[in-house]
Amino acid sequence: DSGVTQTPKHLITATGQRVTLRCSPRSGDLSVYWYQQSLDQGLQFLIQYYNGEERAKGNILERFSAQQFPDLHSELNLSSLELGDSALYFCASSVSQGGTGELFFGEGSRLTVL
Amino acid sequence: AQRVTQPEKLLSVFKGAPVELKCNYSYSGSPELFWYVQYSRQRLQLLLRHISRESIKGFTADLNKGETSFHLKKPFAQEEDSAMYYCALGGMGYSTLTFGKGTMLLVSP
Repeated sequence: DSGVTQTPKHLITATGQRVTLRCSPRSGDLSVYWYQQSLDQGLQFLIQYYNGEERAKGNILERFSAQQFPDLHSELNLSSLELGDSALYFCASSVSQGGTGELFFGEGSRLTVL
Repeated sequence: AQRVTQPEKLLSVFKGAPVELKCNYSYSGSPELFWYVQYSRQRLQLLLRHISRESIKGFTADLNKGETSFHLKKPFAQEEDSAMYYCALGGMGYSTLTFGKGTMLLVSP
């Protein structure tokens, strides 16, 4: 499958812990985006990387950080986890770095914080 | 700041009935509007974009700059249309898309 892949699919952890979510973009896509989906807030943009560099930040908490590696895969690090961080975290990729192109989404990583 | 409003969390209709999913936006500049759909157990995917002016799976959406709206319409809903629909806003000078909170469409037989 040459689409966007995310691991793990499901993750259960405790408050105060730290987790890392991984995303591999579509082949050829240089932009990676992270979104958080919750029942209350819908799809919230967290952060975007383009070719290894941070391009835009959305509603990302200071406890969260991300990076994009030379092979273009990206990781989202969530630390000091709270119950409210339980959500579905989506990664998306696109060819362009702007807000004019189609985003291709992964299947998401469901995080449950107990 | 750009903002997308989808006023309905849930829209429930019967098969064969017309459907209109509302989307309003606020934006400075030339907006680009999209509708994304998420079927059960599938990933979020693009349904249509306003610049294409095409009909996908019977759905159409017209950008109304005067009313700042981009409502999604289908004249006769089908059960397989049941899904979560997100309106998204982008454009030149913006790094990504801003999504609305989504509307769940349920089509009953």
